[in-house]
Amino acid sequence: EVVMTQSPATLSVSPGERATLSCRASQSISSSLAWYQQKPGQAPRLLIYGASTRATGIPARFSGSGSGTEFTLTISSLQSEDFAVYFCQQYHNWPPLTFGGGTKVEIK
Amino acid sequence: QVQLQESGPGLVKPSETLSLTCTVSGVSINSFYWSWIRQPPGKGLEWIGYIYYSGSTNSNPSLKSRVTMSVDTSRSQFSLQLTSVTAADTAIYYCARWSNYNYFDPWGQGTLVTVSS
Repeated sequence: EVVMTQSPATLSVSPGERATLSCRASQSISSSLAWYQQKPGQAPRLLIYGASTRATGIPARFSGSGSGTEFTLTISSLQSEDFAVYFCQQYHNWPPLTFGGGTKVEIK
Repeated sequence: QVQLQESGPGLVKPSETLSLTCTVSGVSINSFYWSWIRQPPGKGLEWIGYIYYSGSTNSNPSLKSRVTMSVDTSRSQFSLQLTSVTAADTAIYYCARWSNYNYFDPWGQGTLVTVSS
């Protein structure tokens, strides 16, 4: 099973600042990585797939990078609606499909 | 647009079977893979399994012995059964489309299932 580890668990950021979230895979997953955003009481929403491709309707301030075992989600200038929990998910080696434990982005 | 809606009992007794249905609208259930994912309150996400419109399935090895999935294309629905539930199965259960063996999009709103006597 591919274990996905996200860091930090919580990130405190001021509105307008940049946020950098990390996701590490226990083995190489090429670029087979997706990022999701989850707000309280809502289902996760797809942000990024293929490690760096934005999903339909996702603002350009969200960007993804990385390959192999190290991945990054960057939010260039945090807006109020971006404070949420972010999960990564690998789809290179399955079953099972696996998710990271999440990073909560909170207002500083 | 594609929409998914979970339905089923919100309370299940320990040792009994959890049964949920996901209704798909806005797209034909045919030609896509459909998945179940769960999230214990305040915790992370766990993939349960997928079903193809043809009925082929695959599931998380950690749950495989207790999971059954089925599809009813005439009603645009797919279903999950999880047997011998315990408190550890208390979670929000989501259905989602699994796109091209890759990511999950879109998701249903989720339904909370509590296992308690």
